[in-house]
Amino acid sequence: DTAVSQTPKYLVTQMGNDKSIKCEQNLGHDTMYWYKQDSKKFLKIMFSYNNKELIINETVPNRFSPKSPDKAHLNLHINSLELGDSAVYFCASSPGTGSGEQYFGPGTRLTVT
Amino acid sequence: GNSVTQMEGPVTLSEEAFLTINCTYTATGYPSLFWYVQYPGEGLQLLLKATKADDKGSNKGFEATYRKETTSFHLEKGSVQVSDSAVYFCALTGTASKLTFGTGTRLQVTL
Repeated sequence: DTAVSQTPKYLVTQMGNDKSIKCEQNLGHDTMYWYKQDSKKFLKIMFSYNNKELIINETVPNRFSPKSPDKAHLNLHINSLELGDSAVYFCASSPGTGSGEQYFGPGTRLTVT
Repeated sequence: GNSVTQMEGPVTLSEEAFLTINCTYTATGYPSLFWYVQYPGEGLQLLLKATKADDKGSNKGFEATYRKETTSFHLEKGSVQVSDSAVYFCALTGTASKLTFGTGTRLQVTL
């Protein structure tokens, strides 16, 4: 069983489009995260939700909007995609807030042309 | 704020060589420290952790000791294998509810 899954794995789209990435975890964790990894492998947290409530919102353009319908799912919607949004996006989950033991999904490689 | 500094890579070693990847940190309070590994095309996996000073984390032959006096958490392995080729990330959690990662160090092991 996959612990943290993301769809799609690859996403190629044009500038200006709107796209969504979905994430699901079956670990029973309360906290979920979205990270962005750039081409140099630098990893930056974007958002964190605990039991469907937003608890971390880093300095991210408001074109990015996370949504958590329940504590097992955290989706990321991106409006008006720009070239600089090209990156790998990782979803992760942990048993609680502040836990450094996080479980990562396989990533979604977004390419904006 | 919290920060993690890792040695620049890539680190290239022959199989069975000794590995050290340096990691130092700046944090308020008493952070927990972690090493994560990212194999090509995959997400990050927790490799080991230490939650207080002088703790040693270990897993799969890798070790790291939490040194408060030098604010360091260096990763070591006595004999690397080709399968250890990956990017290694040092990280910490502090008073904020998030992980702070270093920039990652790529390890390439050759036969």
